[in-house]
Amino acid sequence: EIVMTQSPATLSVSPGGRATLSCRASRSVTSNLAWYQQKPGQAPRLLIYDASTRATGIPARFSGSGSGTEFTLTISSLQSEDFAVYYCQQYNNWPPLTFGGGTKVEI
Amino acid sequence: EVQLVESGGGLVQPGGSLRLSCAASGFTFSIYSMNWVRQAPGKGLEWISYISNSGSTIYYADSVRGRFTISRDNGENSLYLQVNSLRDEDTAVYYCARALYLDVWGQGTTVTVSS
Repeated sequence: EIVMTQSPATLSVSPGGRATLSCRASRSVTSNLAWYQQKPGQAPRLLIYDASTRATGIPARFSGSGSGTEFTLTISSLQSEDFAVYYCQQYNNWPPLTFGGGTKVEI
Repeated sequence: EVQLVESGGGLVQPGGSLRLSCAASGFTFSIYSMNWVRQAPGKGLEWISYISNSGSTIYYADSVRGRFTISRDNGENSLYLQVNSLRDEDTAVYYCARALYLDVWGQGTTVTVSS
């Protein structure tokens, strides 16, 4: 099973600031990595797939990068609606599909 | 509008059973694989089961194998999860989600296992 590790667990950022979230895989997942945003009481929402492709309707301030075992989600110019928990997930070596533990982005 | 709507959750005693449903609309359900993902209170996301578009390929997480059964009815645009022998640790919000990079999610249905 591939273990996904996200860091940091909590990230404090000011509105308008830049957030950089990390996700590491225990072995290579090539580019088969997705990022999700989850707000309290809501289902997760797909932001990025294939490591760097924005999902439909996702603003350009969200960008993904990386391949192999190291991945980054960058949120430039944080808006109030971006404060949430973010998860990475690999779909390269499955089953199981595996998620990271999440990064909470807070003010 | 592409949509998934779960139902069937509730309060059940340990050892009990439920059948969760996920109704799909707004897309051609029969061409997509589907998954169930759960989230325990205050915890992260856990994938629990996958079914291919035809239903011919099925996978389970170790934590639920032998107790949960995934199925689908492409004629009814519906996905199901039969959950048996429920344990306290199965308490969670259960989501259905489309494809391998989970591009569409339902709103979730809550399963609470408690005596």
